[in-house]
Amino acid sequence: DAKTTQPPSMDCAEGRAANLPCNHSTISGNEYVYWYRQIHSQGPQYIIHGLKNNETNEMASLIITEDRKSSTLILPHATLRDTAVYYCIVRVELGANNLFFGTGTRLTVIP
Amino acid sequence: NAGVMQNPRHLVRRRGQEARLRCSPMKGHSHVYWYRQLPEEGLKFMVYLQKENIIDESGMPKERFSAEFPKEGPSILRIQQVVRGDSAAYFCASSPRGSSTDTQYFGPGTRLTVL
Repeated sequence: DAKTTQPPSMDCAEGRAANLPCNHSTISGNEYVYWYRQIHSQGPQYIIHGLKNNETNEMASLIITEDRKSSTLILPHATLRDTAVYYCIVRVELGANNLFFGTGTRLTVIP
Repeated sequence: NAGVMQNPRHLVRRRGQEARLRCSPMKGHSHVYWYRQLPEEGLKFMVYLQKENIIDESGMPKERFSAEFPKEGPSILRIQQVVRGDSAAYFCASSPRGSSTDTQYFGPGTRLTVL
């Protein structure tokens, strides 16, 4: 699976959009980008995933660049409950089943 | 629709005792994954099971650790003769199929403390 690079930490003001970047420059054509988050020692929570196209669900939007070498997770109106560690994970079709959690980005939403 | 359930949520054992952690997958899911998170570290994959089969145990320590997912009942992660270094949060995830791009849904975890 392709390696991902994320900033170690970010702050965001409550009510503003949180934009979390992820670099996956070695991604291949059959690799998906997944985002999970872990709120203070709870179990990781699935957020969203995509292959090529931008995706949106009730939690977030995922913007994948045209060359697929990077992506951005957008939380449109961050709340204090969004404070968590966010993990960007690349998974290949027909690859290993386990998720590889790197160090992620620690997002702190500030009142 | 109940999510992934794990019990106990907290478990305290003395060195040398056995720890049994249980995981009930989401309804309709027949694939279970166990991960371990040491203090201040990220989650690390341990083992992937289907009903009655271990599919991938590449992340399991070679000794003292075992896992099963019987035809009936929850998946069990068993740690024999626990040591202080086993103190960690153990998370279970489940998915409906065995596809490598299947979304995995996680339980709340079991926090094991070894005295």
